[in-house]
Amino acid sequence: QVAVTQSPSASASLGASVKLTCTLSSDHTSYAIAWHQVQAGKGPRYLMKVYSDGSLKRADETPDRFSGSSSGAERYLIISGLQSEDEAEYYCQTWGVGIHGVFGEGTQVTVL
Amino acid sequence: QPLLQESGPERVAPSETLSLRCTVTGGSVTSSNHYWAWIRQPPGKRLEWLGSIEYTGATFYNPSLKSRLILSIDTSENDFSLQLTSVTAADTAMYLCARVRAVAGTEIDQWGQGTLVTVSS
Repeated sequence: QVAVTQSPSASASLGASVKLTCTLSSDHTSYAIAWHQVQAGKGPRYLMKVYSDGSLKRADETPDRFSGSSSGAERYLIISGLQSEDEAEYYCQTWGVGIHGVFGEGTQVTVL
Repeated sequence: QPLLQESGPERVAPSETLSLRCTVTGGSVTSSNHYWAWIRQPPGKRLEWLGSIEYTGATFYNPSLKSRLILSIDTSENDFSLQLTSVTAADTAMYLCARVRAVAGTEIDQWGQGTLVTVSS
């Protein structure tokens, strides 16, 4: 069964960059993943899909400062020019046959 | 992009059935390109996919909940629903409905705001 893991926390200064990692289980390194943002008190928001070749499908509303990349089993979310409203929890999601939601533990991003 | 809105009771007694509805506006649940899903997040825990349904009524369930979960869809009302039977305190969570792509991947691309459900007498 496919699984994804995330680091629990990350932090960076206002205006800096932060890179979040989502790691796929060893038998599923070719899978795409999606990144979602959960701000405090709000519902989740889909940010983008990251493919194994590093290509992206970004949601229309996702600011350009959010980007993604890929390397092996790892999928990344990079936030550049960090803003205070980027302080949130970020979840990666993948899927399997007949299973539409496999989530990581979430990474809490703190803007210093 | 469609808007999804959950509705239902905020509190359910133990052993009872939790029933929630998700109303979709600005889009149609009859889209053949999407599934319609329920996800929950217990306090302090990760998101958990519960199940999905497509416009034909075909369902996909999380194996861990399959025996207690019933999903349905009403194309005339443009909404879909969840019933979770025999609830316990462990079912206390934020419940979210979502739209899932059914073509070229299965990512969630639209979320509801969520509704907090507490299981308590």
